[in-house]
Amino acid sequence: DAGVIQSPRHEVTEMGQEVTLRCKPISGHDYLFWYRQTMMRGLELLIYFNNNVPIDDSGMPEDRFSAKMPNASFSTLKIQPSEPRDSAVYFCASSPGTSGGQYEQYFGPGTRLTVT
Amino acid sequence: QKEVEQDPGPLSVPEGAIVSLNCTYSNSAFQYFMWYRQYSRKGPELLMYTYSSGNKEDGRFTAQVDKSSKYISLFIRDSQPSDSATYLCAMSSWGGKFYFGSGTKLNVKP
Repeated sequence: DAGVIQSPRHEVTEMGQEVTLRCKPISGHDYLFWYRQTMMRGLELLIYFNNNVPIDDSGMPEDRFSAKMPNASFSTLKIQPSEPRDSAVYFCASSPGTSGGQYEQYFGPGTRLTVT
Repeated sequence: QKEVEQDPGPLSVPEGAIVSLNCTYSNSAFQYFMWYRQYSRKGPELLMYTYSSGNKEDGRFTAQVDKSSKYISLFIRDSQPSDSATYLCAMSSWGGKFYFGSGTKLNVKP
């Protein structure tokens, strides 16, 4: 299995532009997670899906952020409009969700976003 | 108060040393406890997980959970330079969201 795939790996954009991050989870995994990692705040959970349905989006910082999962093999995280404080590494992770928990999360390589 | 507290380090040890990494937490509902390793510019990878209290061993790694003290530990025996990374603890209640520690940066010197 190729693991969790994220694109792009690096994104540099100007303030005010729309940014779309993409994720392909591991086939057969029921859970998908979006995280943001910064030096100041560490790894933060933004939103997670179970069977393509958003379960908890309480970590989404504000209305500028939105996430979708149209099918089991694809998810997007969109920021519109982007701001310099959105600069971070964004990780997607998926989990088979066995035993009722989501402990076995597999992370993608991340997208390093820089907003100037 | 944060859900999970972890000393950021950095922690620097000589090769072959025993390393102890720790996290404390405040939510008594947590039942799943995980340790992730993150190399520079990579995504976290799951090292070990433990359900409820007790110890779990995997090669040079031992995870311990003390629910009465709300304290978890990861021990690395015979540490190697390749163990140099940031170690993140994470925990969750059944069906609940994950909470990650801020990570401890470990450097094992040859």
